[in-house]
Amino acid sequence: ETGVTQSPTHLIKTRGQQVTLRCSSQSGHNTVSWYQQALGQGPQFIFQYYREEENGRGNFPPRFSGLQFPNYSSELNVNALELDDSALYLCASSSSQISYEQYFGPGTRLTVT
Amino acid sequence: DQQVKQNSPSLSVQEGRISILNCDYTNSMFDYFLWYKKYPAEGPTFLISISSIKDKNEDGRFTVFLNKSAKHLSLHIVPSQPGDSAVYFCAASVGSRLTFGEGTQLTVNP
Repeated sequence: ETGVTQSPTHLIKTRGQQVTLRCSSQSGHNTVSWYQQALGQGPQFIFQYYREEENGRGNFPPRFSGLQFPNYSSELNVNALELDDSALYLCASSSSQISYEQYFGPGTRLTVT
Repeated sequence: DQQVKQNSPSLSVQEGRISILNCDYTNSMFDYFLWYKKYPAEGPTFLISISSIKDKNEDGRFTVFLNKSAKHLSLHIVPSQPGDSAVYFCAASVGSRLTFGEGTQLTVNP
């Protein structure tokens, strides 16, 4: 059974640029959630995708957007990067949109300068 | 508005002793509570969960207690081992949406 994978591992971008982060869900999982973890904080829910549709969103602006593909992998896109977007971005997959048990990938560390 | 709060940023215990990690919440709508463990450079790993209708759940060395009237839960690890040293996050769910606390760094000294 393949776990959740994310790419890239690290990324450095300049303020105002755009970034795309990628996630492959665990085998058999059809739901992907994205979280932002700032330094010293717990992960914060960005949004969830179920069967290629957004299925819930946290308190993040529209410049945070996502996609889910037919194979259930997912992308997180952030436009007009700000310094405060520097964080660890975590992807988690689960077996359904109502399942509380989520399995996390190792994350992508984004630094905005 | 911090709906899930872990008030202790760090905890240090001796190997073999009990570790108790605490978590408070404010939202009565949470239906499940979970504990995740996180090592550096890895994603959080699911540890144990408890339904809001239960008051205790046990899995090997790990036990989670839920006190709904106090809106408080705790994770007991006994006996603690050096490999348990990690950041522990408390999380609460409404459906599949998780709300996390800030984490507690547990250090188990040999």
